[in-house]
Amino acid sequence: AQSVAQPEDQVNVAEGNPLTVKCTYSVSGNPYLFWYVQYPNRGLQFLLKYITGDNLVKGSYGFEAEFNKSQTSFHLKKPSALVSDSALYFCAVALNTNAGKSTFGDGTTLTVKP
Amino acid sequence: EAGVTQFPSHSVIEKGQTVTLRCDPISGHDNLYWYRRVMGKEIKFLLHFVKESKQDESGMPNNRFLAERTGGTYSTLKVQPAELEDSGVYFCASSHYSGTGAAGYTFGSGTRLTVV
Repeated sequence: AQSVAQPEDQVNVAEGNPLTVKCTYSVSGNPYLFWYVQYPNRGLQFLLKYITGDNLVKGSYGFEAEFNKSQTSFHLKKPSALVSDSALYFCAVALNTNAGKSTFGDGTTLTVKP
Repeated sequence: EAGVTQFPSHSVIEKGQTVTLRCDPISGHDNLYWYRRVMGKEIKFLLHFVKESKQDESGMPNNRFLAERTGGTYSTLKVQPAELEDSGVYFCASSHYSGTGAAGYTFGSGTRLTVV
C-alpha cells in the first residue's frame, strides 16, 4: 500500500522569505509524485510532478520540489514567498501509470503574511 | 477551454435522504475520476471512468454510493441513503490520458456535502 504524510497542518512564512512544505511518502516501487494547490473556492490545480530523471523539478508559479529517494521525501519549495501563495497544498503519490489513482496527503495550509 | 464543473457547490441533506452530485469534465477527456475529502483529512480516490466504463471502483466505500457516466460525458455520483459520515468534499477530475504523461489532472471546485 502507498501512503503520503504531510507532517505540518499549517505553515506560516513572511512574504519574501523562502518556504518549504514537507511531504514524505511510502510506496513499494518507483513513485510518481505530485503537488497540487487549492485556492479558496477553487479546484485543485496541478503544480508539478516527478516521474523520473532530474531530482529537482520545477513547476508553476515559481515552485519547485526535490525528490529524495533515500529520505523518501518530496518537499515543495519556493525561494521567495508571495501573499498570493497562501492556499492549501496537497502532495500525492501514485504507484503505477494511472496517476489518477493517487494517494493524497492530508494537506498543508500555507499562510504568507505581508 | 472550460474547466471541470461540479454542482451543486454545496448540499445540505438529512440523514437517510438521497443526494446526486454531478461532474461535467472537460470536453474530450475520456478519463474521469471521483475523490472525496472527509473530515479535513486526505483526499481519497473513489473511482475512475474511461469513457462510460468503470475502470476502477476500488475506492467506493460501500453500496450506498452509485456512480454513472452516461454516454461517456458527464458523471453523477449518487448517495442513497446518506449517512452522517458521508459529509465531506467530493472532487471530480478529468484528463485526456490516464498515464503519468499527463500534466496532472484538472479538478473541479468540489461539492461540499453536509449530512445532518
